[in-house]
Amino acid sequence: GESVGLHLPTLSVQEGDNSIINCAYSNSASDYFIWYKQESGKGPQFIIDIRSNMDKRQGQRVTVLLNKTVKHLSLQIAATQPGDSAVYFCAENGNYGQNFVFGPGTRLSVLP
Amino acid sequence: SQTIHQWPATLVQPVGSPLSLECTVEGTSNPNLYWYRQAAGRGLQLLFYSVGIGQISSEVPQNLSASRPQDRQFILSSKKLLLSDSGFYLCAWSVQLAGWGEQYFGPGTRLTVT
Repeated sequence: GESVGLHLPTLSVQEGDNSIINCAYSNSASDYFIWYKQESGKGPQFIIDIRSNMDKRQGQRVTVLLNKTVKHLSLQIAATQPGDSAVYFCAENGNYGQNFVFGPGTRLSVLP
Repeated sequence: SQTIHQWPATLVQPVGSPLSLECTVEGTSNPNLYWYRQAAGRGLQLLFYSVGIGQISSEVPQNLSASRPQDRQFILSSKKLLLSDSGFYLCAWSVQLAGWGEQYFGPGTRLTVT
C-alpha cells in the first residue's frame, strides 16, 4: 500500500443539488473499482462498484463513471441529502487484483 | 448474515507499551482478512492481509505485527508502541480473490499513543 495525500479535498454542496466527486487512479492495469463512504468515526461502507469493461454504472441516487483513457473515476450523487455528508474514497485493484489501493478521499459537506 | 467486530473501540496507551487489537468475523468461512491504518484526514493504508490461518503478508515495514490464530480471528500487535502508531485502525474481510469484490469493514479502533 502506498501513502496518500497530505490534505483532504473538501466539496461543499447545497442540499438538493447534485454532487460530483472525482478520483484519479494510478494503475492502468486496474480493472475493478469501488467507491466507499465513511462517516465520522466509522468504517467505510460500500456504495457502488464498476468493472473496466463498463464506463457507467447506476445505483440508487448514485452513478459511477469510468474513463480509462485518462484513468479517472467519478461518483455522482443526485439530490444530495444531509445524510450524504461523509468522506468518500475510491479504490482500485491495481496490484494484479490482490488488494485494493485507496485514494486519499474527498470530504463532502452538505449545506442546508 | 455476516458481521465483523473490533475491540476495543478506543484505546489510549503510553509510548513503549504493548498493543493487541482484535478482530473477529461471523457468518462466513475462510475470509481474506485485512488490517488498515487511517491517519487523521488521510486515506487508508493497508498494513497486513491474510488469506488463511497462519498466513500473513505485510505491506509496509513497521513497528506492528499481525497474527491469524483462527479462521475468523485477526490480531494486530506491537511490543512497544511509538507515537507514530496513533491512528484509526480498521479491520476488513472479503471473500476469496480479494481485489475482485467488496471489502467489509469493521467499526474501527481509535488508538492514541501518548
